[in-house]
Amino acid sequence: ILNVEQSPQSLHVQEGDSTNFTCSFPSSNFYALHWYRWETAKSPEALFVMTLNGDEKKKGRISATLNTKEGYSYLYIKGSQPEDSATYLCASAPPGNNRKLIWGLGTSLAVNP
Amino acid sequence: KAGVTQTPRYLIKTRGQQVTLSCSPISGHRSVSWYQQTPGQGLQFLFEYFSETQRNKGNFPGRFSGRQFSNSRSEMNVSTLELGDSALYLCASSLRGGGSYNEQFFGPGTRLTVL
Repeated sequence: ILNVEQSPQSLHVQEGDSTNFTCSFPSSNFYALHWYRWETAKSPEALFVMTLNGDEKKKGRISATLNTKEGYSYLYIKGSQPEDSATYLCASAPPGNNRKLIWGLGTSLAVNP
Repeated sequence: KAGVTQTPRYLIKTRGQQVTLSCSPISGHRSVSWYQQTPGQGLQFLFEYFSETQRNKGNFPGRFSGRQFSNSRSEMNVSTLELGDSALYLCASSLRGGGSYNEQFFGPGTRLTVL
């Protein structure tokens, strides 16, 4: 994988459902993985930054895991709420000096009440 | 701590004109990155400035340029505007740089419409 890919592109769930999405990145060229939430009419907001294989981070009902060897990260939302409706973006940074983030196209989540 | 600010928030220009957008990062942040977002496209990286030096550049034509001042404030300039330049332009600041383990803090964006 040369780029950062996110799946699914969009997701519609009912309130209370748990959901997860995937971010795939180049495992051979990895330094850090970022997750951001972007709500409509707002600015993207950082959720997590992970660097270590096996890393797992949690913020309330949202958690993320990282597998640097196979090049993927999962974002989980437990008991989705309407306020979780947003686009979730991931971005990968390669190693070396002057790294720049490579962004995925995002997963758009809609939670129906 | 004040967040990232961008001015103006909305801008309408005509083809051929030029435009300058401004971004003030969070105090103490030395890195400012600029992004373009259009419908159906993800965040397209324009460039990153760190301590007044351009550290990274995306795949945009030379009409897109930027600079950073000693107080870390950054400006982005687009010359000879084209219809396709209509987009939301976001800037983001971080402590050490966009590709580091530091999260980026985004501003509210400037919505540019080119007629």
